[in-house]
Amino acid sequence: GAGVSQSPSNKVTEKGKDVELRCDPISGHTALYWYRQSLGQGLEFLIYFQGNSAPDKSGLPSDRFSAERTGGSVSTLTIQRTQQEDSAVYLCASSLEVLETQYFGPGTRLLVL
Amino acid sequence: AQSVAQPEDQVNVAEGNPLTVKCTYSVSGNPYLFWYVQYPNRGLQFLLKYITGDNLVKGSYGFEAEFNKSQTSFHLKKPSALVSDSALYFCAVRALSWGKFQFGAGTQVVVTP
Repeated sequence: GAGVSQSPSNKVTEKGKDVELRCDPISGHTALYWYRQSLGQGLEFLIYFQGNSAPDKSGLPSDRFSAERTGGSVSTLTIQRTQQEDSAVYLCASSLEVLETQYFGPGTRLLVL
Repeated sequence: AQSVAQPEDQVNVAEGNPLTVKCTYSVSGNPYLFWYVQYPNRGLQFLLKYITGDNLVKGSYGFEAEFNKSQTSFHLKKPSALVSDSALYFCAVRALSWGKFQFGAGTQVVVTP
């Protein structure tokens, strides 16, 4: 079946603009995760959703970052008033249940000029 | 709290030689341990995981990992490395009761012909 998909694959924006990144998880997966990978860095956890439970937002770096998951499927990560330090690859992953293996999408490469 | 360490930023190995990528972890309770690989401009691909059972876990592409509880380690191994194994490898840990993964900083593997 189809894997995790993310769009856009690349996004270039100007400092101060808002951006929305989309993630389509594997069908039937109840858990969805967002990570950030900066150049030469490891993966930084941002947020995760599990079913209808309140999301764990503990990794969001500032209040400019938010995410939602509609209908238990598609998720959107929104970054408001983007800054140059937001430039990174944003990875989405999903898993069947929260304790299962995570499967990653190809990522969205964000460049803030 | 949980953490994972990959002590080597880069591992260099000649093709045909054994490959080892080190990982140590700290977690309260029983750990779930994972290895992922990331090829250039690609998302992370799942290699293998340890949940319970045999300490030696076999995964994709001929990789295996050994769970050592006393040393809190989960080193990734391959008996004979290929040039195509050149990639960035991430170890991850999660506690049984906590959904978030904690990823290591990653180890760049370079296999030379």
